[in-house]
Amino acid sequence: QKEVEQNSGPLSVPEGAIASLNCTYSDRGSQSFFWYRQYSGKSPELIMSIYSNGDKEDGRFTAQLNKASQYVSLLIRDSQPSDSATYLCAVNRGTYKYIFGTGTRLKVLA
Amino acid sequence: DGGITQSPKYLFRKEGQNVTLSCEQNLNHDAMYWYRQDPGQGLRLIYYSQIVNDFQKGDIAEGYSVSREKKESFPLTVTSAQKNPTAFYLCASSRPGQGTYEQYFGPGTRLTVT
Repeated sequence: QKEVEQNSGPLSVPEGAIASLNCTYSDRGSQSFFWYRQYSGKSPELIMSIYSNGDKEDGRFTAQLNKASQYVSLLIRDSQPSDSATYLCAVNRGTYKYIFGTGTRLKVLA
Repeated sequence: DGGITQSPKYLFRKEGQNVTLSCEQNLNHDAMYWYRQDPGQGLRLIYYSQIVNDFQKGDIAEGYSVSREKKESFPLTVTSAQKNPTAFYLCASSRPGQGTYEQYFGPGTRLTVT
């Protein structure tokens, strides 16, 4: 079992719809959770961090964390073609080691 | 503007040559990291450094070396001992606090060895 698992996709959504990206993790000691967006050929860009159970909203993005079920999700409202990218989930258990998933490719169709 | 710079953006080398990738940050972060990214795989940690003059091996340190003589700089040398060096190399930094702080990435260096 991978430490951080994401569906590789592609996840295709029409423009204006809500995109829902999911991530599960295996280490119950994980404390910090991050979502990165990575455009093809570019480096990852941090878009959200979440540390406690529940929802955290930032503009069109909402991160959701459920530690009991060991999953973290990212919702993108009013999806735009410019949101088309690979989204990486990362977790950290309070050390210097961040564990990354392999990413979900999102395609927003105009 | 604060940020992380990596140079060069693209690097081409022949097998058997050592090559050094540059990483500089002006975010005043204590911790710095090197990852490599290969198609279809997650980011894999090569080395990390928590403070100046100290660094630790990550999951795939064989064939790589680093130094941390200044807080702002964390260069990575890819040696001829690295069996499959062609990859996208990413430098990152974070504030101290062991994981509760976000990690930021530089633009990356794409290394091709033939």
